Amino acid sequence: DIQMTQSPSSVSASVGDRVTITCRASQSISTWLAWYQQKPGKAPKLLIFAASSLESGVPSRFSGSGSGTDFTLTISSLQPEDFATYYCQQADSFHPLIFGGGTKVEIK
Amino acid sequence: QVQLVQSGAEVKKPGASVKVSCKASGYSFSDFYMHWVRQAPGQGLEWMGWINPKSGGTNYAQKFQGRVTMTGDTSIRTVYMELSSLRPDDTAVYYCARQLPSDYWGQGTLVTVSS
Repeated sequence: DIQMTQSPSSVSASVGDRVTITCRASQSISTWLAWYQQKPGKAPKLLIFAASSLESGVPSRFSGSGSGTDFTLTISSLQPEDFATYYCQQADSFHPLIFGGGTKVEIK
Repeated sequence: QVQLVQSGAEVKKPGASVKVSCKASGYSFSDFYMHWVRQAPGQGLEWMGWINPKSGGTNYAQKFQGRVTMTGDTSIRTVYMELSSLRPDDTAVYYCARQLPSDYWGQGTLVTVSS
C-alpha cells in the first residue's frame, strides 16, 4: 500500500504567519492528492483536491502544490479560524485512499 | 442540498458486531460511491473502504477485510457499514463520505466497545 507521511506533526504559529505543511507519498500518485481541515468534534472539510485545486468556498489564503511524491499545503496568512488539524489523503482510487497522520496547527 | 445522516451512537461489548447506517438525500444516490472513514479518540483519520451503491461492489482496506461488510439499499437511499468481532480499539467515530475526496460527510457515529 501507498504510505502518506505528513510533517510536521504539529506547528505553533501566530495570526498572520505563513504556514507550510508537507505530505510525502511512498510512490508516485501524480496529482491524486487532497487536503482536509478538521476541527474538534467535526467532520473533515475539503480544502484542496487534485493537489492544487481549491474547493469552492475555501479562502484563497489556502493553496496546494506538488506532484508525484511531494506535496505542500500553504496557508499564506494564518487566521484565527485556521487553528485546526490538517490531513492529506492520497486520492488515486486504484489504491487505498490513505490519509496522512495529520498536522495540528496551534496558537503560538 | 446533499445530506448524509448517520445512525446514533452505539455501545457494544467486545466480540459483538455493530451496523451503522448512512442515509443520503439531495443527489442521485446511485451515481456516487460511498466511503467509510473512522477516527479513534485523539487519533487521525483511517479509511475503511467504499461501496458502489448501484452495483453493490465493494473495496475494503486490507486491515478490515474479513471483519467489515458494506451494503446498500437504493430503495431507501441508505448504505450500511457492519463491523464484526469488535475490540476495544475499534472505539471510534465512524463517518460516511460521498465519493472521496469530498466535502460531503455524515455527522459521524460514535461506536464505543467496552466490557
